[in-house]
Formats: sequence, C-alpha cells, structure tokens
Amino acid sequence: EIVLTQSPATLSLSPGERATLSCRASQSVRSYLTWYQQKPGQAPRLLIYDTSNRATGIPARFSGSGSGTDFTLTISSLEPEDFAVYYCQQRSDWPRITFGPGTKVDIK
Amino acid sequence: QVQLVESGGGVVQPGRSLRLSCAVSGFTFTNYAMHWVRQAPGKGLEWVAVISYNGNNKYHADSVKGRFTISRDNSKNTLYLQMNSLRVEDTAVYYCGRDGSVGAADYYFDNWGQGTLVAVSS
Repeated sequence: EIVLTQSPATLSLSPGERATLSCRASQSVRSYLTWYQQKPGQAPRLLIYDTSNRATGIPARFSGSGSGTDFTLTISSLEPEDFAVYYCQQRSDWPRITFGPGTKVDIK
Repeated sequence: QVQLVESGGGVVQPGRSLRLSCAVSGFTFTNYAMHWVRQAPGKGLEWVAVISYNGNNKYHADSVKGRFTISRDNSKNTLYLQMNSLRVEDTAVYYCGRDGSVGAADYYFDNWGQGTLVAVSS
C-alpha cells in the first residue's frame, strides 16, 4: 500500500497569506495525485487532479505541482472560505487508492 | 446540475446488515464508474469500493472485502452498498462519489454526495 504523508498537520495563516501544503508518497505515484478540500459537515470537494489540473470551477489561486513522491498544493492568497482541511489522494496503485491524513488550514 | 443523494444509514448492531443507496441525477449515470468512500468520525477518508460504468467490474478495499458488495441499477440511476457482518470499526459517514472520467474508472472523485452516517454499536 502506498502511504501518503501530509505536512504540516496544521497550518495557521491569515487571509491574504500564501499557503503551501505538502504531500509525500512512500513510493512513486507518477503524476496521479489529487487534492480535495473539506469543510466541517460537508463532503470533500475536488480541487486538483493529476498533480496540476484544476477541477471545474476551482479558482486560479489554487495550484498543484510535483511528481513522483513529492507534491505541493499552493493557495496563492488565502480567502476566508479557504480555511478547511485538505487531503491528497493517489490513484497510481489502483484499486488500492489511498488518502493522506489531511492538513488543516486555520485562521491565525 | 449533478446530484448524488445517499440514504439508508442508521444505527445497527455489530454483525447485522445494512444497505446504502445513492440516487443520482443531472448526468448520464451509465457513462461513469462510481465509488463509495467513508470517513470515520473525526478521521480521514478511506476508499471503500468501485464499480464500473456497466457494473461488470467491481473492486473492494481489503478492509471490507467479503463483507461489503457494491452494485448499481442503471435503470434506476442508483448505486448501492450492501454491508454485511458490520463491525464497530465500520462506523463512518459513507459518501458516494462519481469517478472523474467518462468510461473507464480513473479513481478520483469529481462529485460527492452529502453522506449518510452508519453507526455500528451494541
């Protein structure tokens, strides 16, 4: 099973700041890395698929990068609605797909 | 617009069974593989199962293999999860999710339902 590790566990920032979230895989997942956003009491929402492709309707302030085992989700300037938990997910080892434990972005 | 609505959750004793449903609308159901993903209270996400667009191929996570079965009725635009021999550790919110690609499953989820809570407790 491919294990995904996300860091930091919690990121405390102010609106307008840049957020950089990391996801590291225990072995290469090629470019098959997805990011989701989840707010309390809501279902996850697809943000980025295949490392860097924004999903429909996702603002340009969200971007993804990386390859192999190291990936980054960047939020260029935090809006109030961006404070949430972010999960990465790999689909390289299907059907044994796995999620990371999440990074919580909260208001400083 | 795309809608996925789960139902069938509730409180159940260990060892009992439950069937979840996910009714979809707003897209051509027969074009997409579908998934179940769960989230234990206060925890992260765990993929549970996938079924191909035509129902011919199914995969289940090792944690539920032999106990849970995913199925679909394309005439009713509905996805199911039959859960047998339930355990306390199966307690979670269960989400249905549409695969991100048309046709073959690509194992990411571009639309999610609101979830249904399954609580396994004696």
